[in-house]
Amino acid sequence: NAGVTQTPKFQVLKTGQSMTLQCAQDMNHNSMYWYRQDPGMGLRLIYYSASEGTTDKGEVPNGYNVSRLNKREFSLRLESAAPSQTSVYFCASSEAAGHYYEQYFGPGTRLTVT
Amino acid sequence: EDKVVQSPLSLVVHEGDTVTLNCSYEVTNFRSLLWYKQEKKAPTFLFMLTSSGIEKKSGRLSSILDKKELFSILNITATQTGDSAVYLCAVEYGGSQGNLIFGKGTKLSVKP
Repeated sequence: NAGVTQTPKFQVLKTGQSMTLQCAQDMNHNSMYWYRQDPGMGLRLIYYSASEGTTDKGEVPNGYNVSRLNKREFSLRLESAAPSQTSVYFCASSEAAGHYYEQYFGPGTRLTVT
Repeated sequence: EDKVVQSPLSLVVHEGDTVTLNCSYEVTNFRSLLWYKQEKKAPTFLFMLTSSGIEKKSGRLSSILDKKELFSILNITATQTGDSAVYLCAVEYGGSQGNLIFGKGTKLSVKP
């Protein structure tokens, strides 16, 4: 039981490049989330998926797209990376939408955009 | 504007000290307040508080919520070096599925 896994762990991009961050969970959870965390800041919700087949914007969705590929996987895509997207990205899952108290987080992806 | 403010932003104490971390909030349709501990990786859940005046405890950690004054405190007694971490406060608010807004965190350093 791996919980929530994220790939890659680290990534350096040049401005304008694109990439996809992958997230998978093996807990049979219905809801999945993408957050970003900037230095000295708390987490901010980018997008979430309440259930398979649905996605919704969070607090800071601009510059990102998401895909809920199936119940296990939720990917985050940066189409044209910008330095302002340098951050640590966390994926999380919970059994149901809004069950934040039982959210399990992945280990994070540290992204640098130069 | 919905917001969560934590204080202090950083704190240095010695082992054995007792610390109190503060979290105040202004949100529409409050649902719950959550505390997380974040070491050098992902946050881990500590407490969820929904009712005023009811203390939640886990070992040396405890927390309480005041919904009238819109704040919560997290107490850690007899601190240990393993308590060194960033402590995040988050507030769930809004409609049926809720939204979650985080404070910036309090960085606690416990020195031997």
